[in-house]
Amino acid sequence: DQQVKQNSPSLSVQEGRISILNCDYTNSMFDYFLWYKKYPAEGPTFLISISSIKDKNEDGRFTVFLNKSAKHLSLHIVPSQPGDSAVYFCAASAQAGTALIFGKGTTLSVSS
Amino acid sequence: EAGVTQFPSHSVIEKGQTVTLRCDPISGHDNLYWYRRVMGKEIKFLLHFVKESKQDESGMPNNRFLAERTGGTYSTLKVQPAELEDSGVYFCASSQVLFAHEQFFGPGTRLTVL
Repeated sequence: DQQVKQNSPSLSVQEGRISILNCDYTNSMFDYFLWYKKYPAEGPTFLISISSIKDKNEDGRFTVFLNKSAKHLSLHIVPSQPGDSAVYFCAASAQAGTALIFGKGTTLSVSS
Repeated sequence: EAGVTQFPSHSVIEKGQTVTLRCDPISGHDNLYWYRRVMGKEIKFLLHFVKESKQDESGMPNNRFLAERTGGTYSTLKVQPAELEDSGVYFCASSQVLFAHEQFFGPGTRLTVL
């Protein structure tokens, strides 16, 4: 049973608009959440993270929101750029230094 | 600072053969992780080293997989004998301190078992 779910396999957005990628989790023990970005033939690259004690973390064009009661997090990219086109993975961990639990990923396509 | 490197980038072998994958973590990173992604599915944890010790190997699929990290530097992951379902992309990741959430990933090794 998947503990981290990304229910949208793909998302298409126009350049300049907002991209919203969603992630749901089932394990209440998760205390840290991360987003990774992956280009073809490359490894996942860390993008942004959030601790369970926060509900928002912002880094430039990227903002992650966490709703603990709903066990839901989202990544907002604004404005979206063609270079943002990649696979985005949501990941969670129950304890620092332990295994990351990943979702299946969402492929974002940003058209110019 | 050099990132995590993995060798080879691709490997195509026949069922029953042996393959060894190598990972060089970022210099100074004590934590080393192996993950695998089968096509279209999530990236799944295999095991975690702290220096040369196996901290968690709960994700290893079966005893055909053997991971080592002699000297606490690079790590190898051997699959012997390989089966068709072992095909996928094997990622290595490292992190500097035990209590760090962010892990830095290598480019992966794509393994195809025919």
